[in-house]
Amino acid sequence: LAKTTQPISMDSYEGQEVNITCSHNNIATNDYITWYQQFPSQGPRFIIQGYKTKVTNEVASLFIPADRKSSTLSLPRVSLSDTAVYYCLVGSSGNTPLVFGKGTRLSVIA
Amino acid sequence: EAQVTQNPRYLITVTGKKLTVTCSQNMNHEYMSWYRQDPGLGLRQIYYSMNVEVTDKGDVPEGYKVSRKEKRNFPLILESPSPNQTSLYFCASSPGGEQYFGPGTRLTVT
Repeated sequence: LAKTTQPISMDSYEGQEVNITCSHNNIATNDYITWYQQFPSQGPRFIIQGYKTKVTNEVASLFIPADRKSSTLSLPRVSLSDTAVYYCLVGSSGNTPLVFGKGTRLSVIA
Repeated sequence: EAQVTQNPRYLITVTGKKLTVTCSQNMNHEYMSWYRQDPGLGLRQIYYSMNVEVTDKGDVPEGYKVSRKEKRNFPLILESPSPNQTSLYFCASSPGGEQYFGPGTRLTVT
């Protein structure tokens, strides 16, 4: 099972760019990297997914180096509403269990 | 509206009294999964199912059972609940790739 390691917490001011890095040294060839956002008492919500290089959507970017042993979620110009826990997940909805990391608690300060 | 529903949302029960938490999705997803979330431990996968009549153990399956008789439903069964199963439970479904999570079921076993 691909294990992930993320910082426990991060603080940022509104309007800044936030980068959260996830380590996944034993990522498998078929694994994708997926990031989720979770607010208190709610289910996680999909943010972005990638396999290699860079992926960008309307809310975030995901940077994956060539060796794929880590990935970085980039949130541009965060606001107070981005305060949440962010989870990195490595794997695929296939025939192997999925293992979430313990998440990074992001606090955005005005 | 495309969604994953869980029932009940809150449940308080006593040790040893069998219970079932239902999960249903209306998106025709083949993949479904159950997670538990505990403070400091993040999300841990209990069981997953890649299709009807196909279920597999996740990271923490002990004390739980599941069934997948229909594509839309994936109930979680606790035959003899114990206090260490007090947790927040999430069901999720996926078309392959991103997962869609339900609102969660908060279970307390006394």
